[in-house]
Amino acid sequence: GQQLNQSPQSMFIQEGEDVSMNCTSSSIFNTWLWYKQDPGEGPVLLIALYKAGELTSNGRLTAQFGITRKDSFLNISASIPSDVGIYFCAGSTGNQFYFGTGTSLTVIP
Amino acid sequence: EAQVTQNPRYLITVTGKKLTVTCSQNMNHEYMSWYRQDPGLGLRQIYYSMNVEVTDKGDVPEGYKVSRKEKRNFPLILESPSPNQTSLYFCASSFSPSAFFGQGTRLTVV
Repeated sequence: GQQLNQSPQSMFIQEGEDVSMNCTSSSIFNTWLWYKQDPGEGPVLLIALYKAGELTSNGRLTAQFGITRKDSFLNISASIPSDVGIYFCAGSTGNQFYFGTGTSLTVIP
Repeated sequence: EAQVTQNPRYLITVTGKKLTVTCSQNMNHEYMSWYRQDPGLGLRQIYYSMNVEVTDKGDVPEGYKVSRKEKRNFPLILESPSPNQTSLYFCASSFSPSAFFGQGTRLTVV
């Protein structure tokens, strides 16, 4: 199956720091998505990107759809304790979705 | 409240005993899908459905069946579960890319 490389695998940061994570693929996608998963819950959609080069913000979160359509990144500015969780990228070809292996974020107060 | 409801949340079963995990959404979404989540592998798509009576295989369909007789329901069927199907399963529904996930079903096959 399709493999998305997501990095870093885990991050430990101080509250107030900015965070950056990215996702790369060997294949082109039509859509890139970023999700957050809290323990015991299903993933929650944070940002959806539909066009190569698109830069989209959602509060303190900013994500970009890479020009090559094979990568995407997510930035979180001024992290807070509730940002703790696992972040997943996902690429879509239309009907099928492929997820990265996740970035576990720990925010130290 | 918009939601995707899965049942059961936890299930322990024995090898070979048929089981069904139900999924229901109240948002009138056409697109629904099933995923399994395993440590180090992220979420992998099992099956998806574009509409009633329209289903298709995802990335890891072997050992699973689905049906879509009504728009709101999309059950996942394991005809003969095996230990390698022990996993955390999620159902999702959306108008566009998967937006709403259920809370998950943790399945253990012994």
